[in-house]
Amino acid sequence: QKEVEQDPGPLSVPEGAIVSLNCTYSNSAFQYFMWYRQYSRKGPELLMYTYSSGNKEDGRFTAQVDKSSKYISLFIRDSQPSDSATYLCAPLGQGGKLIFGQGTELSVKP
Amino acid sequence: EADIYQTPRYLVIGTGKKITLECSQTMGHDKMYWYQQDPGMELHLIHYSYGVNSTEKGDLSSESTVSRIRTEHFPLTLESARPSHTSQYLCASSERGRLAGGLGTQYFGPGTRLTVL
Repeated sequence: QKEVEQDPGPLSVPEGAIVSLNCTYSNSAFQYFMWYRQYSRKGPELLMYTYSSGNKEDGRFTAQVDKSSKYISLFIRDSQPSDSATYLCAPLGQGGKLIFGQGTELSVKP
Repeated sequence: EADIYQTPRYLVIGTGKKITLECSQTMGHDKMYWYQQDPGMELHLIHYSYGVNSTEKGDLSSESTVSRIRTEHFPLTLESARPSHTSQYLCASSERGRLAGGLGTQYFGPGTRLTVL
């Protein structure tokens, strides 16, 4: 079983839609949960991170962690074509190692 | 914006050649990492370093080797490239950070896309 499972996508939505991206994980010791965005042929860039359970909002993006169910979500409001990318969830493991999901490819159509 | 550089960005090379993928960062980060990423698949950690003269193997076995002689430089070498080495290689670095345990967020370079014929 993989430590982090992510909805495979690809996901295609119209501009302005609310997008929900999800991951599950198996290691209850994880405390920090990162979301990275990766544009085609680029390296991942950190979008935001959360600590433990709860919500964190940054502009149109909201990250949510439910540690009781080991479930991680990223919501994008008023999605834009510039949001088209692959989104990677990555809990932070021991020694600062990121454990990546396989990523969800998102396409926002104008 | 992170200042981490990788060269070359693209490399097509024949089987048996020795190659070195370069990674440099100008942020003074202690920790550096190499990941391998195949299309549609997870990033897998293949090497990491917590400082000069420190290197460790990651979770995914790799035939590549790394060195860390200078803080800012973390090259990856394949002594004899094979088609199975075809992949994208991503370098990252992190500061001694603000997260618990001194962990810092990782910043990624643009990657090197390697094709071995």
